[in-house]
Amino acid sequence: NAGVMQNPRHLVRRRGQEARLRCSPMKGHSHVYWYRQLPEEGLKFMVYLQKENIIDESGMPKERFSAEFPKEGPSILRIQQVVRGDSAAYFCASSPGSYNSPLHFGNGTRLTVT
Amino acid sequence: QQQVKQSPQSLIVQKGGISIINCAYENTAFDYFPWYQQFPGKGPALLIAIRPDVSEKKEGRFTISFNKSAKQFSLHIMDSQPGDSATYFCAASKGSARQLTFGSGTQLTVLP
Repeated sequence: NAGVMQNPRHLVRRRGQEARLRCSPMKGHSHVYWYRQLPEEGLKFMVYLQKENIIDESGMPKERFSAEFPKEGPSILRIQQVVRGDSAAYFCASSPGSYNSPLHFGNGTRLTVT
Repeated sequence: QQQVKQSPQSLIVQKGGISIINCAYENTAFDYFPWYQQFPGKGPALLIAIRPDVSEKKEGRFTISFNKSAKQFSLHIMDSQPGDSATYFCAASKGSARQLTFGSGTQLTVLP
């Protein structure tokens, strides 16, 4: 039973390029969350999605960032025109969505913007 | 209103000792309080979680103590082992959704 799968594990982009981060939730999980972790800091909530719907994007920067979770395929976090301040670890987590269900995290994508 | 404050930032404990990490929250609507353990290069892994209707929950060597009136909760690791050396995060959320608000983390080092 595979856990939450994220790829790539490491991603290097030059300033101005686009970054695409992928997340496949655990089997049976239809709720996906994205978090960002800056060096030496805790995780910050970015966006919460269910299949084909964005439920809460209150933590996501208004510009350059977008997320989707299509009916088929992984969830994608897209960062356009990356800047150095976007360098961070991006974690995806999933849950089945029931009241007492915990959140299961992937091992993250480390984005480095040069 | 949404903050979760965690202390200490770092903690060094001898093998066999008790590690204690504290968190305080402001939002009284929070009703789910998990603790996560994170090793370098890995994602956070759920250790133990508590809801405000109980004051204590124990799972193996890990215990959460919860003080609703003080809006504080803490993690106690009994008989700490070198393998427990990791970063620990407290978090909080409300309802069934898991938009967790995380503390800033505690780097625990257990000396052999």
